[in-house]
Amino acid sequence: ELKVEQNPLFLSMQEGKNYTIYCNYSTTSDRLYWYRQDPGKSLESLFVLLSNGAVKQEGRLMASLDTKARLSTLHITAAVHDLSATYFCAVAFSGTYKYIFGTGTRLKVLA
Amino acid sequence: EAGVTQFPSHSVIEKGQTVTLRCDPISGHDNLYWYRRVMGKEIKFLLHFVKESKQDESGMPNNRFLAERTGGTYSTLKVQPAELEDSGVYFCASSRGAGVSYNEQFFGPGTRLTVL
Repeated sequence: ELKVEQNPLFLSMQEGKNYTIYCNYSTTSDRLYWYRQDPGKSLESLFVLLSNGAVKQEGRLMASLDTKARLSTLHITAAVHDLSATYFCAVAFSGTYKYIFGTGTRLKVLA
Repeated sequence: EAGVTQFPSHSVIEKGQTVTLRCDPISGHDNLYWYRRVMGKEIKFLLHFVKESKQDESGMPNNRFLAERTGGTYSTLKVQPAELEDSGVYFCASSRGAGVSYNEQFFGPGTRLTVL
């Protein structure tokens, strides 16, 4: 079964702290995506990870992919309030176009 | 470049009624997808069009759901008759045609459907 597990579901953190969101998936994949969603808005693409060992950074967010462990992480450095949103990972398994999404992580950064 | 647009943004209907959701993809994107998120659970795939053809409809829950993409441009998703469990947020996404190796999908803002 194609399955994507994301944790934690909820994350409340203080400004300035670091934290990591985890995304595990069940079988071989060659494409993993991270999205951000603000309430009532579109899913905004953050990162596209295509190969083992891929690491991408944008501002306070850094995403990595370990295809052997079937794990991606989204690391938040020195969180600020503007990062409050729901973050989703999505996996496209080999031979398919459709995405399998994780459950999402609702992040709240407290001032 | 305009993004993916969806209409309406919200719809409230009674059980047994019919609702039609519309999606306009990014211009030039051959691939169009429908997803939905029910009751705060994960976003689930419904179906995938390549131009006007249904490439994968494995996620369509039952025959009360009908998706069309006449002419390969915009798409509609009709629910008839609607049931309580159809409530949720319906997302549309689009991506460029085959040959783009990573097939990044761009999402619309979603239609929130409430069935009473």
